Amino acid sequence: QVQLVQSGAEVKKPGASVRLSCKASGFTFRNYYMHWVRQAPGQGLEWMGIIYPSGETTSYARKFQGRVTMTRDTATSTVYLQLTRLRAEDTAVYFCARDPSGEDYFDHWGQGTLLTVSS
Amino acid sequence: DIVMTQSPDSLTVSLGERATINCKSSQSILYSSDNKNYLAWYKQKPGQPPKLLVSWASIRESGVPDRFSGSGSGSDFTLTISSLQAEDSAVYYCQQYYASPYTFGQGTSLEI
Repeated sequence: QVQLVQSGAEVKKPGASVRLSCKASGFTFRNYYMHWVRQAPGQGLEWMGIIYPSGETTSYARKFQGRVTMTRDTATSTVYLQLTRLRAEDTAVYFCARDPSGEDYFDHWGQGTLLTVSS
Repeated sequence: DIVMTQSPDSLTVSLGERATINCKSSQSILYSSDNKNYLAWYKQKPGQPPKLLVSWASIRESGVPDRFSGSGSGSDFTLTISSLQAEDSAVYYCQQYYASPYTFGQGTSLEI
C-alpha cells in the first residue's frame, strides 16, 4: 500500500534552516509528482510547492520563493523540503503529498512533521 | 491567486441527517478545453493528514462511502454528506487545482 513516512518533529531558532524528509513506498516513486503543504496550528492548509518526477523541475508558491528548496532522491524514494531563514510564522505541520496524475491534487499524504520555530 | 471561500465555517447536524458544505472560487475553475472542474474535497480529523474524498468536483475516490457526493460547476461547488455517521465529524476542505498557487478553502468544521 502507498505510504509516505515523514521525519520527526523539529525545533529551530529564528534565522536557522531545516530539512524535512518524506520516504515513499508502495508505488513507483520516480513516476510521481510530489508536493509539500503546510498547516499552521489551528489553521487551514497552504500549498508550498511541487517537485516533478525527474527532480529537475520545481515550482514554488511565490510566498516561499527564495527560502524553499525541494529535492528528491530516486534511489531512496525520498523527497526533501528545505526551508531557510526560519521565522516564528513558519511554525506549522508540514505534509508531503502525492499527486496521482500530475494534475495538482493530492491522493496520499504523509503523517506530517511539526516544525516549531522559537527563540 | 484564486480565493476559495467555504460556507458555513461550522455546522452541527444530527446522526442520519444530511450535511451540505459550499465552496465558492473567486474565478471559474472550469477548464473549457476539457470541460472539467479542477476542484477536490478533503476530510481532516484532528491529528491526522487530510484524506482525499472527491476530485474533479464530483468523482468519488475509491473506498469513499457513497454517502459523500460532490457537485457544482464553474465557481460554485457543494459537498453533500447524506445519512451522517459519527465518523463523519471532521473539518472539510475544498481545493482548486486550476492554477498555481493551488489554494484551499478555510475549512468547514462538521460536528455530529
